[in-house]
Amino acid sequence: EVQLVESGGGVVRPGGSLRLSCAASGFTFDDYGMSWVRQAPGKGLEWVSGINWNGGTTGYVGSVKGRFTISRDNAKNSLYLQMNSLRAEDTALYHCARRDSSWENFDYWGQGTLVTVSS
Amino acid sequence: SSELTQDPAVSVALGQTVRITCQGHSLRSYFATWYQQKSGQAPVLVIYGQNNRPSGIPDRFSGSSSGSTASLTITGAQAEDEADYYCCCRDSSGNHLGWVFGGGTKLTVL
Repeated sequence: EVQLVESGGGVVRPGGSLRLSCAASGFTFDDYGMSWVRQAPGKGLEWVSGINWNGGTTGYVGSVKGRFTISRDNAKNSLYLQMNSLRAEDTALYHCARRDSSWENFDYWGQGTLVTVSS
Repeated sequence: SSELTQDPAVSVALGQTVRITCQGHSLRSYFATWYQQKSGQAPVLVIYGQNNRPSGIPDRFSGSSSGSTASLTITGAQAEDEADYYCCCRDSSGNHLGWVFGGGTKLTVL
């Protein structure tokens, strides 16, 4: 059974940093690209960042470029999101999602970890 | 980045057919993918590759597209279909590895 379990969320002050983790199991992790997708309270889904199977290609939504860094450790079956210079508008539930590159969809999602940026 | 536009809310009578649409330039280059999100839950993939359903998704869900518009149709809507629905596709605006979601459509089953 495919499982994605996020952790690392919490309350942080504006300008602060957090590192999110996503532990993957039930599939061959290094066969898949992965992404982070967030959802602000009461709002829709927003793709944040993605990484290919070996970490050689990454992408970011414009609003987080230069502040967030996605990475992965295939030996640990884990995905990460380093978030620096956090802003109030980064407050959201952050989901990790597995990318099916054959069809360019996100076929499995984690339940998410909540990040709250507040003074 | 590109944008995908959805109607904020749609309603359907129990057992009737409803179509949820998604418009955007990126849909001229990429198939839409559709996700269902029930309250307090993670999104679930319901349609991919224009009109493919993952295992476990009822066949009352179908997808189609024409030009820059993609549609999700639910034929014979059930009470359990009440949810938010999001379209998504690759971003064709030049972001080498990027995706864009529509704003979501809240479906109410009456």
